[in-house]
Amino acid sequence: DAGVTQSPTHLIKTRGQQVTLRCSPKSGHDTVSWYQQALGQGPQFIFQYYEEEERQRGNFPDRFSGHQFPNYSSELNVNALLLGDSALYLCASSFGGNSYNEQFFGPGTRLTVL
Amino acid sequence: KNEVEQSPQNLTAQEGEFITINCSYSVGISALHWLQQHPGGGIVSLFMLSSGKKKHGRLIATINIQEKHSSLHITASHPRDSAVYICAVGRRGNQFYFGTGTSLTVIP
Repeated sequence: DAGVTQSPTHLIKTRGQQVTLRCSPKSGHDTVSWYQQALGQGPQFIFQYYEEEERQRGNFPDRFSGHQFPNYSSELNVNALLLGDSALYLCASSFGGNSYNEQFFGPGTRLTVL
Repeated sequence: KNEVEQSPQNLTAQEGEFITINCSYSVGISALHWLQQHPGGGIVSLFMLSSGKKKHGRLIATINIQEKHSSLHITASHPRDSAVYICAVGRRGNQFYFGTGTSLTVIP
């Protein structure tokens, strides 16, 4: 049983570009949460998708958007990249769309914006 | 002020020592999570608890809901325990808040 997978592993972009990150949840999970982790910091909650809808959002601008597909996989899109968007982007999956259930994390995508 | 505070930020221990990492939070929670992050980024969930105490091998996690405080203990520490340990709280409405982590180094 594959756990949470993310792609790509690493990505280098330049300011102003757009990026799409992908996440496949653990088998049996229907909820995907995205986090941004800057160097030396704890993860910051970006948003959560459940039943193909954005259910909750952290303090991130509209440049950050997402999508969940019928197979529960998810994409994170970031437009008009800034240097400050350089971070590790983590995806976590869980079941049931609430914070009562354990989250399983993917390995992350390290984004570098030059 | 961060909703989740961890202490200490950095911790160095000799192999075999008993280690305690503390987490305090200021919001009502549905559950508290202890996570382990190794260099390179991968995060592993160690515990999820909403009351009492849980034990898994050499790891013990406790939570006091009234005092809004949790501790993670590692008994007989080993160099392979070296990692960043992160406390996170889940709130009703699906929000998660993370501490900045405690970087643990266990020296042989």
